[in-house]
Amino acid sequence: AQSVTQPDIHITVSEGASLELRCNYSYGATPYLFWYVQSPGQGLQLLLKYFSGDTLVQGIKGFEAEFKRSQSSFNLRKPSVHWSDAAEYFCAVGANQAGTALIFGKGTTLSVSS
Amino acid sequence: DGGITQSPKYLFRKEGQNVTLSCEQNLNHDAMYWYRQDPGQGLRLIYYSQIVNDFQKGDIAEGYSVSREKKESFPLTVTSAQKNPTAFYLCASSVQGATVEQFFGPGTRLTVL
Repeated sequence: AQSVTQPDIHITVSEGASLELRCNYSYGATPYLFWYVQSPGQGLQLLLKYFSGDTLVQGIKGFEAEFKRSQSSFNLRKPSVHWSDAAEYFCAVGANQAGTALIFGKGTTLSVSS
Repeated sequence: DGGITQSPKYLFRKEGQNVTLSCEQNLNHDAMYWYRQDPGQGLRLIYYSQIVNDFQKGDIAEGYSVSREKKESFPLTVTSAQKNPTAFYLCASSVQGATVEQFFGPGTRLTVL
């Protein structure tokens, strides 16, 4: 079955500390991978995406993610977290096939402590 | 400015009533999507449309209906058959299929009284 797993429901990180959010996927076709961020009561904003090529991708707001095919993972990282990064983060997977839609994980809520 | 608008932002409905959520985009995107978001559940796909006058059911289509008469518009009707309609509803669009970025609207919070 096609699925996305985000093992951590809630993470708290101190401001200035590094961050890693985990994402594992199960997908039959070549995966196209995305990370989105959502502030409370708002829509989703794309942080970064991976289609092919370099397995380390850079996104907005200082985020990066690494695709590891052998581990079926696409973890999101940031070297130094800011208080404004507190939000909910969603990993998603899709395929290069007509008529398909993205599959989302259940999300990880990030809290930032001072 | 290009983007996706959803209206209203908050919607209250009495049990047994149908209600229609609006979604409009001026990005010239072919594909549009409706998701339902519940706490701890992530986003679940209700319906999607790849082209005008065509749409497909997603994972949780029961109790919902859609239309796609214009490229810019993809309204969602929550019918009285939907057993638990209170949720946050998100509309999205993309240039084509799932391989490219989906752009999201600000969402509509529906509460059934």
